[in-house]
Amino acid sequence: EVQLVESGGGLAQPGGSLRLSCAASGLTFSNYGMSWVRQAPGKGLEWVSSISDHGGSTYYADSVKGRFTISRDDSKNTLYLQMNSLRVEDTAVYYCAKDSPICSLWGQGTLVTVSS
Amino acid sequence: EIVMTQSPATLSVSPGERATLFCRASQSVSSDLAWYQQRPGQAPRLLIYGASTRATGIPARFSGSGSGTEFTLTISSLQSEDFAVYYCQQYNHWPPGTFGGGTKVEIK
Repeated sequence: EVQLVESGGGLAQPGGSLRLSCAASGLTFSNYGMSWVRQAPGKGLEWVSSISDHGGSTYYADSVKGRFTISRDDSKNTLYLQMNSLRVEDTAVYYCAKDSPICSLWGQGTLVTVSS
Repeated sequence: EIVMTQSPATLSVSPGERATLFCRASQSVSSDLAWYQQRPGQAPRLLIYGASTRATGIPARFSGSGSGTEFTLTISSLQSEDFAVYYCQQYNHWPPGTFGGGTKVEIK
């Protein structure tokens, strides 16, 4: 069974940093593009970033470009999202998802709260 | 950036009835349209891609249609587990993969 488990969320101050992780199991991780999608409290879905299989290409929403960095470690079957210069409006549940641009399988999400 | 508009925002339906949800793109996205279901407190789940192809394990009561700018998701006979929020997403002009604002299907 394919599983995606996010971790690393929590409380951060405006201007601070967090690194999210997504551990994948049950699949040949390196063969798949991966994505991060977020959902602000009570709001809809917003695509954040994607990375190609093997990590050769990365893509970002304008709202996070220059602040967030997506990466992957295929030896650890893990996807990352380094979030710097955090803003209050980055507060959301962050989901990792298998495949891009279509998100075929989603993790349960990790909550990031940016507040002073 | 392509804007995806879903209607209605809320749909009240009785169990066993048909539900029809709409998604409109601000410009043509061909058939590069996906639908997702999000039950309360859960992560989204892929239902449909390519506008009309059901994802693995999705029941036949879910069907998608449309191309260009107008798309429809139909649930032929609503079951209790189908009361949820549904999102469309275009991926023709990607990135970004823009989502619609969602349609909440609630029990009438």
